[in-house]
Amino acid sequence: AQSVTQLGSHVSVSEGALVLLRCNYSSSVPPYLFWYVQYPNQGLQLLLKYTSAATLVKGINGFEAEFKKSETSFHLTKPSAHMSDAAEYFCAVSDMNYGGSQGNLIFGKGTKLSVKP
Amino acid sequence: SAVISQKPSRDICQRGTSLTIQCQVDSQVTMMFWYRQQPGQSLTLIATANQGSEATYESGFVIDKFPISRPNLTFSTLTVSNMSPEDSSIYLCSVGTVVLQQYFGPGTRLTVT
Repeated sequence: AQSVTQLGSHVSVSEGALVLLRCNYSSSVPPYLFWYVQYPNQGLQLLLKYTSAATLVKGINGFEAEFKKSETSFHLTKPSAHMSDAAEYFCAVSDMNYGGSQGNLIFGKGTKLSVKP
Repeated sequence: SAVISQKPSRDICQRGTSLTIQCQVDSQVTMMFWYRQQPGQSLTLIATANQGSEATYESGFVIDKFPISRPNLTFSTLTVSNMSPEDSSIYLCSVGTVVLQQYFGPGTRLTVT
């Protein structure tokens, strides 16, 4: 069974500092991996996805993530945090049991990012 | 992309009652998903709803408690039946459009008293 572990339920950084949100996955097959962001009182928005192409994936709002098979990791980074980045971030892995392109997503518990001025 | 709306955005309900949540998409989609996000927790899939067939429920979720309708390719409802305080959660619908991409609605925040 696939699973996702996000290390740190809450991360706090200063504005302009590096953002690093950690995600490790468990999967018996090559995974598809995602990062979503949830702003207060809003739904989830896709930041980026890894689908077995380039291991370094660039997403929206300056975020990127690197797939490292040897470490079973897919950490999310942003070189310089902005106040508007304050939100909750979810890592997810795709469960392809539905036999096609619209597989179920299995989510980590989320990491709440705070950005200090 | 897909624009998804949900109604109601939030509700406070009494124990033992039922609430039906609506999910409307601005384009036709094959698969719709319903998730639950309990306070301080991650998202858990309740069921997958395909148009023209019965919903497929995940382990721990049953049709009697969470009946789902999918009358067409742009609309679905989820009913939370015989509610208890443990059902207090955010309920989100999502749709799959292109390969491996899901779009989420804004969620329905339910409080059961």
